[in-house]
Amino acid sequence: RKEVEQDPGPFNVPEGATVAFNCTYSNSASQSFFWYRQDCRKEPKLLMSVYSSGNEDGRFTAQLNRASQYISLLIRDSKLSDSATYLCVVTRDYKLSFGAGTTVTVRA
Amino acid sequence: SQTIHQWPATLVQPVGSPLSLECTVEGTSNPNLYWYRQAAGRGLQLLFYSVGIGQISSEVPQNLSASRPQDRQFILSSKKLLLSDSGFYLCAWSAQGEQFFGPGTRLTVL
Repeated sequence: RKEVEQDPGPFNVPEGATVAFNCTYSNSASQSFFWYRQDCRKEPKLLMSVYSSGNEDGRFTAQLNRASQYISLLIRDSKLSDSATYLCVVTRDYKLSFGAGTTVTVRA
Repeated sequence: SQTIHQWPATLVQPVGSPLSLECTVEGTSNPNLYWYRQAAGRGLQLLFYSVGIGQISSEVPQNLSASRPQDRQFILSSKKLLLSDSGFYLCAWSAQGEQFFGPGTRLTVL
C-alpha cells in the first residue's frame, strides 16, 4: 500500500466553481501535513500547511482528519490560474512522502 | 532569503554514461537536503537525504549515489546510467517540516 494516495483526477471545472478532493495516508505516526502545487514541468511549491483544526488561505481550505487519516483541499471560486497538479504531503521525522497528485483544470 | 540552485536544467545522456547533478543552497546553514526523482506522470520518489556533511541516507536501492562534500552542496551521481534513470530530478532543503525545491534537472537517457 502506498504511504499517500490521491485521486489522480483530472477534475475539470468551470471558472467560479468549487472543487474539492482528498488524500489518504497510511502511517498513523505522520506528524505534519501539507498541500503543494506543481505546474507543468516545474518544481512543486508549498501551497499551505494543514492543521488539525482546519485552516483557510484565501479561496483555499484544508482539513485534516487524523482518525480517518485523510486530508482534504477545497478551492472556492476557481480561477484559470488554479489549473495545476496538487500534491498531498505527509511528514515523519526528516522524511516527506508525496502523493502522485490530483490534476485540476479550470476552464473558461 | 534562502535560494536553491540546480544545474544543469536539462540533460540528455546515452545509456552507460556517467552522471553528476549539483545542488547548492544559499542563505541557510546546516540544512537537511534531499534528492527526489519524478518519473513522467508519477509522484516524487525520495532517493537520498542528508542531515549533515558526509551523512547520506539512501531510500531505495539503485545505481545512483549522493555526496555532500560541503554544508550547502549536494551532488547526485551515477557511474553508468540506465534508461530507467530518465526523469525530473529535484533537490530540496527543509525547515520546520516544509520543503523548498530547486528548479529541477530534466534528464533523458537514450
